[in-house]
Amino acid sequence: SQQGEEDPQALSIQEGENATMNCSYKTSINNLQWYRQNSGRGLVHLILIRSNEREKHSGRLRVTLDTSKKSSSLLITASRAADTASYFCAWGNNDMRFGAGTRLTVKP
Amino acid sequence: GAVVSQHPSWVICKSGTSVKIECRSLDFQATTMFWYRQFPKQSLMLMATSNEGSKATYEQGVEKDKFLINHASLTLSTLTVTSAHPEDSSFYICSASPLAGETQYFGPGTRLLVL
Repeated sequence: SQQGEEDPQALSIQEGENATMNCSYKTSINNLQWYRQNSGRGLVHLILIRSNEREKHSGRLRVTLDTSKKSSSLLITASRAADTASYFCAWGNNDMRFGAGTRLTVKP
Repeated sequence: GAVVSQHPSWVICKSGTSVKIECRSLDFQATTMFWYRQFPKQSLMLMATSNEGSKATYEQGVEKDKFLINHASLTLSTLTVTSAHPEDSSFYICSASPLAGETQYFGPGTRLLVL
């Protein structure tokens, strides 16, 4: 299967709370990327973390990477209703493989 | 940032017809583009790698004669779904990157419905 594992599959939180999503991948990587997808729309690139990085921040996003465990996490702090979307991790040197995704719902 | 477009954004066709989907990199050149398929509430599955000037590379289980890919220029790749059937109904997304191995930029997707 192309897909790695992502958990949780679905996450529902209140506005203002933090949301953490985890991703497991299968192969050695040069970098790992996180994307966001609103329902039925294209993908928006959020952040890229390289294999020699352990943590990266971008605004309210914090990504960690543990290459020994082949896992990554995405933390969204102080969530907003507009953060409601599906979030995917993806890896691969050129041809990207995607995790199963986490569907995040942020309730106002 | 880099922009990738797709056309059409949605298409409805009768079973047995062929449908062509275009993927363009608007502000950069891409020797390689990628085609994905996404079924409802599922993740993206890589279908094939489109190589400018040469044959596409297909993932296991993807029929190359059914999903024809042409990458005639550094800014355009096309995916043709031949003799479409209802089970081909899906969301098709392409991606490309200005720099190999770096951030992939995705098109907005094409929703195909085969009746």
